[in-house]
Amino acid sequence: DTGVSQDPRHKITKRGQNVTFRCDPISEHNRLYWYRQTLGQGPEFLTYFQNEAQLEKSRLLSDRFSAERPKGSFSTLEIQRTEQGDSAMYLCASSPKRLAGGADTQYFGPGTRLTVL
Amino acid sequence: GIQVEQSPPDLILQEGANSTLRCNFSDSVNNLQWFHQNPWGQLINLFYIPSGTKQNGRLSATTVATERYSLLYISSSQTTDSGVYFCAVEIQGAQKLVFGQGTRLTINP
Repeated sequence: DTGVSQDPRHKITKRGQNVTFRCDPISEHNRLYWYRQTLGQGPEFLTYFQNEAQLEKSRLLSDRFSAERPKGSFSTLEIQRTEQGDSAMYLCASSPKRLAGGADTQYFGPGTRLTVL
Repeated sequence: GIQVEQSPPDLILQEGANSTLRCNFSDSVNNLQWFHQNPWGQLINLFYIPSGTKQNGRLSATTVATERYSLLYISSSQTTDSGVYFCAVEIQGAQKLVFGQGTRLTINP
């Protein structure tokens, strides 16, 4: 078990371009989360998947953002028409299957640092 | 939504000192995690502790759920303990972590 992995680790793009990030969760973890962290702040929730179903999206996730988890394994986060305000660290986390109403540890990947020029 | 407040925001200590970081939260939670964020941005799990006390080497944590706070203790600090420490909580049914603003710990040699 190598933990949560994310690719790329760094991305520099020009305003208006589209970018896509990938997250590979810990194997057999059925829950996958995306968070965004700006400088000096704690991470903020964006969206989460249980298997391939996207069950919740934050209001932070504008219509320029889309996330998928097509086979319930890896996930992609795409940002269309990037803006300078999208510059942030994008973090992915996964957690194992839970009992109803229960909770469990979320394990985070190393993040993708996006810079929009 | 739930509020998570961490204190102090910044803490500067000499190597070998002990420290206590505090996390207050405004609602009942069914998940509380402490993380250490290293200089490269990686969030490293320290504790999953919705209630009770746990210890791992020089680190220990206590959560008093009924009084809505958690404490992280670091003993005999080392320079490698430097970084930002985050507390994050999850309320029942919410399926997401809400993070505090963090405590930036600097350990000087």
